Amino acid sequence: GAVVSQHPSRVICKSGTSVKIECRSLDFQATTMFWYRQFPKQSLMLMATSNEGSKATYEQGVEKDKFLINHASLTLSTLTVTSAHPEDSSFYICSASQSSLNYNEQFFGPGTRLTVL
Amino acid sequence: AQSVTQPDIHITVSEGASLELRCNYSYGATPYLFWYVQSPGQGLQLLLKYFSGDTLVQGIKGFEAEFKRSQSSFNLRKPSVHWSDAAEYFCAVGPNTGTASKLTFGTGTRLQVTL
Repeated sequence: GAVVSQHPSRVICKSGTSVKIECRSLDFQATTMFWYRQFPKQSLMLMATSNEGSKATYEQGVEKDKFLINHASLTLSTLTVTSAHPEDSSFYICSASQSSLNYNEQFFGPGTRLTVL
Repeated sequence: AQSVTQPDIHITVSEGASLELRCNYSYGATPYLFWYVQSPGQGLQLLLKYFSGDTLVQGIKGFEAEFKRSQSSFNLRKPSVHWSDAAEYFCAVGPNTGTASKLTFGTGTRLQVTL
């Protein structure tokens, strides 16, 4: 159980276009989803925390108008990179949190590789 | 602010040898601690976690980790490494709360296994 999927797994787009990445919890309801960004050979950096039905909370330095996050249901969150530029090329990973007795453990998706030409 | 340090960027071990990956954290209270593994181009898989209780925790794939409060460490160990263990390993810390909270990750240790 506790499977998280991401779609697409890989996307290449032209500079100036927008790209939407979906994160789905397949077998549980996720009240909270997190979006991370990972540059090559680096660690994961949290971009934002998304709670179902409310606005996302962005980390310092992350442009909320550029990285639009929508968490419309308990199983789906989307990240839209608007007007993408080459510097937005990265590996984007989402995680979903499921309530448990002790801690809302995060389950990670397989990631989406974004390349902006 | 909480932080996680993984001092070793890259480690190479022979198959069958023992392994220890270091993790030190800085946090105001006792945090929740995690070890994740990431294969190339993949997401993260949880190896083990520490919330409370026994300071030696067992995880999947034969891994274990020991929480040492006095040293603010949570080192990952495996008695005998397999070639399939080659991957990137991340230590992470989260606040000791009952709600979903963000994790802070270390910079990772890349494990290479030689045959």
